[in-house]
Amino acid sequence: KAGVTQTPRYLIKTRGQQVTLSCSPISGHRSVSWYQQTPGQGLQFLFEYFSETQRNKGNFPGRFSGRQFSNSRSEMNVSTLELGDSALYLCASSLDPGVSTDTQYFGPGTRLTVL
Amino acid sequence: AQTVTQSQPEMSVQEAETVTLSCTYDTSENNYYLFWYKQPPSRQMILVIRQEAYKQQNATENRFSVNFQKAAKSFSLKISDSQLGDTAMYFCAFMKHGVNRDDKIIFGKGTRLHILP
Repeated sequence: KAGVTQTPRYLIKTRGQQVTLSCSPISGHRSVSWYQQTPGQGLQFLFEYFSETQRNKGNFPGRFSGRQFSNSRSEMNVSTLELGDSALYLCASSLDPGVSTDTQYFGPGTRLTVL
Repeated sequence: AQTVTQSQPEMSVQEAETVTLSCTYDTSENNYYLFWYKQPPSRQMILVIRQEAYKQQNATENRFSVNFQKAAKSFSLKISDSQLGDTAMYFCAFMKHGVNRDDKIIFGKGTRLHILP
């Protein structure tokens, strides 16, 4: 099976702009989670989508949003970018949180730089 | 709230040696999962090993094994016969079992492991 894919891999934006990142989960996986990784804060959970519904959300401002499509692909949007949003954004997919074999598989990440 | 602590920010060992990475966690949950992930310089996060809290037997994957002490809330990773390719940042992670989980998965700050030739 193909792994989790994320596009684009690298992105440079300026403050005030908005950005959309995409994640395609492993085939058959219905849960997609997003994480932000920075040197200072480490890995932080943004939100999780399952069957097109946001199930959980981390402690991030409303500028961070996401959605999931019927094919389980997910997008994450950040509006009004700030310098502090520069980070590696990781997407992870899993089969089904209600199933005992609940392991997340990560994509390669999107490196976002805000100038 | 759950917390995950990795007390060793950085470690170095010689190739072929055995190394143990420490992880402690705090939770009031009884059913959960614990993971070790590896993030090499290429940045792709890779699952190394997983442990279900209800299983007393320690998980093993080839050269990687864990020492899971539920009462002590300790979950250490042992890498035997270390190889240069094991050089990476290692993250310990805690995840609640089941659906509708707030704070779904909590990661430790990581241990940067260097395998020296």
